[in-house]
Amino acid sequence: AQSVTQLDSQVPVFEEAPVELRCNYSSSVSVYLFWYVQYPNQGLQLLLKYLSGSTLVKGINGFEAEFNKSQTSFHLRKPSVHISDTAEYFCAVSDGNTGFQKLVFGTGTRLLVSP
Amino acid sequence: NAGVTQTPKFRVLKTGQSMTLLCAQDMNHEYMYWYRQDPGMGLRLIHYSVGEGTTAKGEVPDGYNVSRLKKQNFLLGLESAAPSQTSVYFCASSPWASGTFNEQFFGPGTRLTVL
Repeated sequence: AQSVTQLDSQVPVFEEAPVELRCNYSSSVSVYLFWYVQYPNQGLQLLLKYLSGSTLVKGINGFEAEFNKSQTSFHLRKPSVHISDTAEYFCAVSDGNTGFQKLVFGTGTRLLVSP
Repeated sequence: NAGVTQTPKFRVLKTGQSMTLLCAQDMNHEYMYWYRQDPGMGLRLIHYSVGEGTTAKGEVPDGYNVSRLKKQNFLLGLESAAPSQTSVYFCASSPWASGTFNEQFFGPGTRLTVL
């Protein structure tokens, strides 16, 4: 079964600084990878997804992620964060081999942006 | 479009009581899901449905039942609530996927406390 590891439970950062949130997944022949964001007291919203093609994926709000098959990683980056980026970020994986695709989520990383 | 809505938003139960959480979507999606979110554990799939009249178990189904009598609704039932079921419950839906993965859209969540 697929699994996802988010190495950092919390990442504090100052406004306008760059940030990287790390995500590693268990290996499979083919996978689909996702980052979701959860703002306080809200549901999850898709930030970006990797299905195939270019390994650098751009998402909403200036975020991007790079799929690295050899390292089984899908780290999320933003070159300059804003206070409004304070939220919890979840990495998720879906096994591309199955007919019906279920998401397996990581435990989440709380991004705390301070002035 | 309202997207995915969940009723109620908050609920407090006593051990042994029963309740039903309602999820409704107006996007004509085939697939629907119930997740629970617990601190430090991310989201875990409870049950899901691939179409009207069909349901299946997810990762943590014990203590829950579901029904999908109408395509737009997915009900989650707790027959005899236990403190271990204190959690935030999220419903999601996604369209039928053909050879690729389609985004899951999440509701705002239901915060359930079992005393």
